[in-house]
Amino acid sequence: QSALTQPASVSGSPGQSITISCTGTSSDVGSYNLVSWYQQHPGKAPKLMIYEGSKRPSGVSNRFSGSKSGNTASLTISGLQAEDEADYYCCSYAGSSTYWVFGGGTKLTVL
Amino acid sequence: EVQLVESGGGLVQPGGSLRLSCAASGFTFSSYWMHWVRQAPGKGLVWVSRINSDGSSTSYADSVKGRFTISRDNAKNTLYLQMNSLRAEDTAVYYCARGVTYGDYFGKGTLVTVSS
Repeated sequence: QSALTQPASVSGSPGQSITISCTGTSSDVGSYNLVSWYQQHPGKAPKLMIYEGSKRPSGVSNRFSGSKSGNTASLTISGLQAEDEADYYCCSYAGSSTYWVFGGGTKLTVL
Repeated sequence: EVQLVESGGGLVQPGGSLRLSCAASGFTFSSYWMHWVRQAPGKGLVWVSRINSDGSSTSYADSVKGRFTISRDNAKNTLYLQMNSLRAEDTAVYYCARGVTYGDYFGKGTLVTVSS
């Protein structure tokens, strides 16, 4: 099972919106509406931001939203803030053999 | 408050063994599936293994199959990862995570370094 494909880096200015893509295959992203997104600050544990494609856990800002089309999922962050600067990882359920497959990660820089 | 606290990491020689633990609190541990996820220095997250709520079913990434064993003790609210025949490429921070199709909580991780 290969890793999902994410851009290595994205950037935006405070107040702007950015979108991070996550491309998989018909065996993972395309087969299940079970993509999750994680935020990770340096030296910290991953934090769940989006699950089941577009749902937000309690306490996560509504500036974070998720969507999917075909084999590609996306995370959009609107109204960028300095504290959003972090690494973001997508993850898809990939079946009962390889449960989770992660993307390579995207470093978000807030200019 | 959900808490997951990993321990057991350290420096080990290639070919050696190590057992990681993940102590869970703040939720009914026996009701949840659990996973191990690792992150090599400067690299991304990689799924390692999962176990169902009663420990009767497990799965592994191909890279660790036959070398690592996941288990749990629901009476002690603890998840384990027995790692044998360790290789340099197993060097990583190992996180435990709660969930089935996604991880809603991760621990802070424990560092495993495989080096001579």
